[in-house]
Amino acid sequence: GQQLNQSPQSMFIQEGEDVSMNCTSSSIFNTWLWYKQDPGEGPVLLIALYKAGELTSNGRLTAQFGITRKDSFLNISASIPSDVGIYFCAGQRRNYGGSQGNLIFGKGTKLSVKP
Amino acid sequence: DTGVSQDPRHKITKRGQNVTFRCDPISEHNRLYWYRQTLGQGPEFLTYFQNEAQLEKSRLLSDRFSAERPKGSFSTLEIQRTEQGDSAMYLCASSVGGMEETQYFGPGTRLLVL
Repeated sequence: GQQLNQSPQSMFIQEGEDVSMNCTSSSIFNTWLWYKQDPGEGPVLLIALYKAGELTSNGRLTAQFGITRKDSFLNISASIPSDVGIYFCAGQRRNYGGSQGNLIFGKGTKLSVKP
Repeated sequence: DTGVSQDPRHKITKRGQNVTFRCDPISEHNRLYWYRQTLGQGPEFLTYFQNEAQLEKSRLLSDRFSAERPKGSFSTLEIQRTEQGDSAMYLCASSVGGMEETQYFGPGTRLLVL
């Protein structure tokens, strides 16, 4: 199935460093969401973005909905060990009838933090 | 608000057996989605319900798969004659719908077909 282009695939960083990851698509989306998934668990919602250009923060996390509606990025400031996990971007389009459709996910960015 | 729950969390079965998974959405969420996630990949959409109506099915949902949401509350996903390629994490998500829809995921059911 279709997936978004998410990069980087993995990151090894030192505790306290800032992290940046992004997601791109060849087509536009109406909504961008960022999830974090721990091993053996379901994705947990971090940030939802509904408007092009929107910049939203959730604690140390900041995400932006690209102006072209084809991309989004997520920044994590001052990383801590519990930030370890896999981060997924997901895009959503409206159905033909105007309602929101299913999510299309990237392949994830695996974050490892060295204390 | 107890969140989305799924049962069982893990299932090991032999090839050819049938399995059924259950999802209980967040109460008052009228939309319910099923996704499948294989190792190293993001979740992929299988099907979704608005109340009790199944409105969309992905091409990934072969005829061995069937999903129901009989009363618009919990949902079941059945896989008949399981194959080794069915081994994956099966995720359920629910939402209230609307223009600013946000899907909340359950913990998933990990299926291993031997």
